[in-house]
This record gives sequence, C-alpha cells and structure tokens, in this order.
Amino acid sequence: AQSVTQLDSHVSVSEGTPVLLRCNYSSSYSPSLFWYVQHPNKGLQLLLKYTSAATLVKGINGFEAEFKKSETSFHLTKPSAHMSDAAEYFCVVTYNQAGTALIFGKGTTLSVSS
Amino acid sequence: GAVVSQHPSRVICKSGTSVKIECRSLDFQATTMFWYRQFPKQSLMLMATSNEGSKATYEQGVEKDKFLINHASLTLSTLTVTSAHPEDSSFYICSATSSAKNIQYFGAGTRLSVL
Repeated sequence: AQSVTQLDSHVSVSEGTPVLLRCNYSSSYSPSLFWYVQHPNKGLQLLLKYTSAATLVKGINGFEAEFKKSETSFHLTKPSAHMSDAAEYFCVVTYNQAGTALIFGKGTTLSVSS
Repeated sequence: GAVVSQHPSRVICKSGTSVKIECRSLDFQATTMFWYRQFPKQSLMLMATSNEGSKATYEQGVEKDKFLINHASLTLSTLTVTSAHPEDSSFYICSATSSAKNIQYFGAGTRLSVL
C-alpha cells in the first residue's frame, strides 16, 4: 500500500537558522510528491511539487525539496527560517497522473522562535 | 496559481439544522472536487470525491445521507451537512482539480461549530 511518513510531528527552530522537515514515502509506482503549508484556520497552500523532472525542486517562500529515489525521501528545507514560516506542513504523495488520489502525511508543526 | 473559494469561512449552528458549504473554482474549470475533514492537530481525511454531473464517491465510513454533495457545474460544488450534531463540528476543506492542472488547489476551509 502507498503511504507517506513525516518523521517529526514537531520541529522548533530559531529565526534565521535552517529548516529541515523530513518525509519518506513508500514506492510501488512513480509518485508525484507535494509539500503543502497550512497556517492556523486556513486552507492548504501548495509550496512545491515533484513530478519526475528535476530532482531538486524549488518552491515558494525560499523552500526547496530534493527527491531521492534511493532513500525514498522528499525532505523540505529552507536555509533561513522566518517567523512567518511557523505553520503546519504536509507531505503529500499521489500515484495517479490525474493527481486525484492524494495520500497525506500526518503533518509537521514548525515553530520559529525569535 | 489557481484560486478556490470556500464559503462561509465560519458557521455556528444549532443542533438539528442543516448547513451548506460552497466551493468554487474561480479561474479554472474543476472537473473533480474533493471534500476533506480535518480534526484538531490532525491531517486531512478525504470524505468524498465529486465529478461534475455525476454522483459523489464517498470514502468508507462517511455517511452519504449525512453529507450531501452536489457538483452541478464545473466551477461549483456544495457540501450540505444535514441535521448537524455537535460531533459534526470540524474544519471542512474543499479542493479542486482539472485534467489540465494535475494539482489539487485547496479552499481556505470552513470551521463548523454545532451547538
């Protein structure tokens, strides 16, 4: 069965320091992978997506993620955290080309302190 | 990016009443729309998938008579929570996609509180 695992439920960083949010997926087929961000009481905003093109994907707000097939990972990184980055982050995988069957990770809460 | 509008953002209702939530794709035709439910500090749970002009497909454990979904046009889907009870209180989020886009775009969500 397809699945996605976010390895940390909560990550805390200081403003200006790097961010690493980890995600691993199970691989039966060639997946498309996404990272979404959710601020409190808001919907989900797409940060970036991987769809078998370049393995290093750049997204909005300075975030990027690297698809590593050998490690079945798609970790999200940002060189320097900002207070406004504090939110819930979801790693999402889909195995159909239409993108209609999404499998969500359980989410990682990112806290940023000054 | 594409815009999906969800309305209302927050609704408070009495137990036993019905509540309708609208989801609109503003700048693209959404062949498929999805309805999710999110409990506090948890991930999204898919409730149902709706394709324009056909009946919605409900996930296991979701009562179709309780959560009525209509997708009458390519830009609008509605979720009606019928005879709402306090246990239906939750955050409901819709998303929309098209065959051209390959990505789900999410609405801002609706916070339903049933008293």
